[in-house]
Formats: sequence, structure tokens, C-alpha cells
Amino acid sequence: GAVVSQHPSWVICKSGTSVKIECRSLDFQATTMFWYRQFPKQSLMLMATSNEGSKATYEQGVEKDKFLINHASLTLSTLTVTSAHPEDSSFYICSASLNAGVEQFFGPGTRLTVL
Amino acid sequence: GQNIDQPTEMTATEGAIVQINCTYQTSGFNGLFWYQQHAGEAPTFLSYNVLDGLEEKGRFSSFLSRSKGYSYLLLKELQMKDSASYLCAVRDSQAGTALIFGKGTTLSVSS
Repeated sequence: GAVVSQHPSWVICKSGTSVKIECRSLDFQATTMFWYRQFPKQSLMLMATSNEGSKATYEQGVEKDKFLINHASLTLSTLTVTSAHPEDSSFYICSASLNAGVEQFFGPGTRLTVL
Repeated sequence: GQNIDQPTEMTATEGAIVQINCTYQTSGFNGLFWYQQHAGEAPTFLSYNVLDGLEEKGRFSSFLSRSKGYSYLLLKELQMKDSASYLCAVRDSQAGTALIFGKGTTLSVSS
């Protein structure tokens, strides 16, 4: 089956620093990748959709200058949380789909804690 | 816009059957998904419905009525490991291929 990995699994950083999260499709080429954020006991909230080689499409209320997304290849998308603050602490999950297919394959998530 | 509603919590006992309902409102419907998520883990795919009717897959079945904006996930022969959050998600044709998730239903299975 299709496997999506994320790195790191968890990260703790100081307020004001930037954190990069990688999302990789290991055994397929993902034309589209999605980034979600999940706060405790809440559902997944779509942050942005990224297509390989083009700019990401951000959902309303998500600051594109704060959450930088790069989808440089068909197997890698990165999310950089710039100048992180405690309110950015959350569970960040990526997913990938193949050729706009039906199913999205989710990564294991990255837990970010900003002190 | 989109709106997806499902119960917050449900409880059941081992061996029982439980039905988790989901109602949705979207600008343009293009498929409904059910995912299972254990605490601290990523969601795993359970089912997909795009046409009306029942889709059965082992102990899990999912039903869709597009005219009513309604779906349910049916879990049979419940096991303790089925304790998890169950997420209803809709693909809105105006949102491309992205999924819009409901808040999830936390199911607790007791012995």
C-alpha cells in the first residue's frame, strides 16, 4: 500500500524559532499533498493544498507567510512554521494523493510543542 | 460553505453493533469518507461512498443518502481495539480534492 512518512515525529522548540516538517510519499508519486492541523480533541483542519511545482493554496485564515509550504518534487513537501509561538503547538498531519485519486494517504503526524 | 455534524461521543460493549451518523451540507458533493483515528496517530481510511447505498467491508459498512445529506458508519461485532475516534469527511467539488472533516465521534468499547 501507499506509505507516507513525516519527519520529525515530534519537536519541541523555543518561541520565535522556525521549524521545518517534511512529508514524503515513499512508494508513489504524489501530485497533490495536503497539510492539516489538529488541536487536542478537535478534528483535522485543512491548512493548505500543495501541488508539485506550483504555489500552495491556503485555506481562509491560514497565514501563508507564517506557514511556508514547498512541494519541490513528486515525493516531498515541506511545511515550515516560521517564528513559532505557543499557540502554534499542535499535531500537524500531511496527506498525499495520487493523480487526484479517491483516497488520501496520511502521514503519521508531527507533534509540535512551542515553549 | 461546508458543515459536517456527527455525535461527539458514543459508548458500546464488546460484540455489539454501533451506528455512527454523519450529516453534511456542502456546496458541491463529491464523495464521503470515513476514517478511524487512534489517539496520537494519523487517520486510517475505512470507507468511501460517492453513490447512494451501502458499502460493506468486513465488520464495517458505510451508507450514503445524497438527497438527505446523510451517512452512517456501522460497526459490527465490536472489539476493544475499535475504541477510537471516527471521522466523517466530505470532498467538496469546489475544494478540489481536499477533504473537509467533521469533529469526529469518540467511540468507547467496554467489556
